[in-house]
Amino acid sequence: GNSVTQMEGPVTLSEEAFLTINCTYTATGYPSLFWYVQYPGEGLQLLLKATKADDKGSNKGFEATYRKETTSFHLEKGSVQVSDSAVYFCALSDRGNYGGSQGNLIFGKGTKLSVKP
Amino acid sequence: EPEVTQTPSHQVTQMGQEVILRCVPISNHLYFYWYRQILGQKVEFLVSFYNNEISEKSEIFDDQFSVERPDGSNFTLKIRSTKLEDSAMYFCASSSSVNQPQHFGDGTRLSIL
Repeated sequence: GNSVTQMEGPVTLSEEAFLTINCTYTATGYPSLFWYVQYPGEGLQLLLKATKADDKGSNKGFEATYRKETTSFHLEKGSVQVSDSAVYFCALSDRGNYGGSQGNLIFGKGTKLSVKP
Repeated sequence: EPEVTQTPSHQVTQMGQEVILRCVPISNHLYFYWYRQILGQKVEFLVSFYNNEISEKSEIFDDQFSVERPDGSNFTLKIRSTKLEDSAMYFCASSSSVNQPQHFGDGTRLSIL
């Protein structure tokens, strides 16, 4: 069945460091891919998405490219800030092949990021 | 910005009791979802709801669970005869269509004693 695997945390970085959080997926068809972020004490917020191969999602300096050949959707940011400290979830929608529609989400376990000043 | 609200933020219940988790989705949204996250594990899909009926449910969503939209604003998850393993964070989400992203609430932490 469909699944998402993301790198184990926690990840601790200094401010202005480069961030990569790896995410790979297993899916039939052509899923849509997402990164959600959960700040302390808050719910899940959509960070970025990509609905087809080679799409790049971007938001708030974060980027991720939908790589069908490697079934990956790694999250990157060139220079992290203390305010980026949160838990990051990679997810896929198993209805992504229907014109980019979003159905039920399948999540990875989440990666906790701590950024030190 | 409109948001999904969930109440209560934390619910403590004795094993075997019934619990109702409440959600107010964004007002013009039509698609509603429940997810749960057991501590240290993945966020898991439970059920989706559209046009006053369940559109899809996972194997987790057995006869112990039910959902309802009792009025034009609330969307509830009922868990009957709770078990220790029901302890988790429960997230409600809504979207305006299947082509739009899901918006999540802050979650209800359910603790079964």
